[in-house]
Amino acid sequence: GDSVTQMEGPVTLSEEAFLTINCTYTATGYPSLFWYVQYPGEGLQLLLKATKADDKGSNKGFEATYRKETTSFHLEKGSVQVSDSAVYFCALHTQGGSEKLVFGKGTKLTVNP
Amino acid sequence: NAGVTQTPKFRVLKTGQSMTLLCAQDMNHEYMYWYRQDPGMGLRLIHYSVGEGTTAKGEVPDGYNVSRLKKQNFLLGLESAAPSQTSVYFCASSYTQTGIPYEQYFGPGTRLTVT
Repeated sequence: GDSVTQMEGPVTLSEEAFLTINCTYTATGYPSLFWYVQYPGEGLQLLLKATKADDKGSNKGFEATYRKETTSFHLEKGSVQVSDSAVYFCALHTQGGSEKLVFGKGTKLTVNP
Repeated sequence: NAGVTQTPKFRVLKTGQSMTLLCAQDMNHEYMYWYRQDPGMGLRLIHYSVGEGTTAKGEVPDGYNVSRLKKQNFLLGLESAAPSQTSVYFCASSYTQTGIPYEQYFGPGTRLTVT
């Protein structure tokens, strides 16, 4: 079945450091890919998405490129801020398949001043 | 436009008590979901609904029941609470339209403690 694997956390960085959170997937069809973010005490909210190979999703300085050849959707940010401290979830949905999103387990990011 | 709202925000139950969590959405979404979130486990799907009057089991349905009597509401019931049901519960909803990226909108969560 479809699955998502994220790098284990937690990840701790200093402000202005470069961030990469790895995400790889297994899917039978052609999935859409998502990154969700969960700030402390809140629900998940969509950060960015990509619907086909080579698409780049971007938002709030974060980027991720849909790489079909490596089945990956790694999240990157060039310069993190303290306010980026949160849990990040990678997810996929296969068009025409189940009505459910498949989530990774989440990666906790802490950014120190 | 309130999005997805959940009631209550916090609750403490004793083992064996029952309760109902309410989720409401005002976006006219067809699909609604209940998840639980536990440390190190990510999000796990409990039950979901693809339309008014329909429900289906997710990964971890045991000990929970759901109802979708109105399109905008999705209720999660615990008939006899157990300490293993201590968790944070999230409701989500989504639309469905061919060719449109499928994304879910989440509520703020309900923190439930069963003692």
